[in-house]
Amino acid sequence: ETGVTQTPRHLVMGMTNKKSLKCEQHLGHNAMYWYKQSAKKPLELMFVYSLEERVENNSVPSRFSPECPNSSHLFLHLHTLQPEDSALYLCASSQDVFNEQFFGPGTRLTVL
Amino acid sequence: AQSVTQLGSHVSVSEGALVLLRCNYSSSVPPYLFWYVQYPNQGLQLLLKYTTGATLVKGINGFEAEFKKSETSFHLTKPSAHMSDAAEYFCAVFLHEGDDYKLSFGAGTTVTVRA
Repeated sequence: ETGVTQTPRHLVMGMTNKKSLKCEQHLGHNAMYWYKQSAKKPLELMFVYSLEERVENNSVPSRFSPECPNSSHLFLHLHTLQPEDSALYLCASSQDVFNEQFFGPGTRLTVL
Repeated sequence: AQSVTQLGSHVSVSEGALVLLRCNYSSSVPPYLFWYVQYPNQGLQLLLKYTTGATLVKGINGFEAEFKKSETSFHLTKPSAHMSDAAEYFCAVFLHEGDDYKLSFGAGTTVTVRA
């Protein structure tokens, strides 16, 4: 399998649930990213990892917790989310932080 | 500080007509510039990018964009629209200064193509 994959593709959860989003890249890249895409709003960069170290956290609420166990995998752990957190969550990777990014298909999250 | 502005959230063109999507940015240092396309239920795909060198860059699917420093613009064009060009398009600016870097996306422009 090539490129950037994300699972699950769709997720519905209650406000008290705990769930995790998974991203995997098969491109040998060193940097990985989480984005939030909401309707009619610019893409929001949430987290950046370079060589498994978090290098950027754009004031994201603590109910979102990223984890990068190795350069190929990135997780986004979710707990006690709010309805306004419903969005498409995109993962991306790049050779290094300064290079073009390759995006996964996204996880469509709905918080009830 | 930097920002990206895409003029027009929605553009409708006839099949075979010119596609023009506008992107302006603000930056205190030379930026890297990107255009991405997003088809329904998919992630973003890179169309083209400008880093250094030739200011007219060609991308996939017949798209091209020109970096104009004096106008702080990076407009995307395609001479003849095809039905398959219907999608959402995002302009992005990457700024790297020392150890600080920022990547910003525009709000997106939805393109519809009329038969």
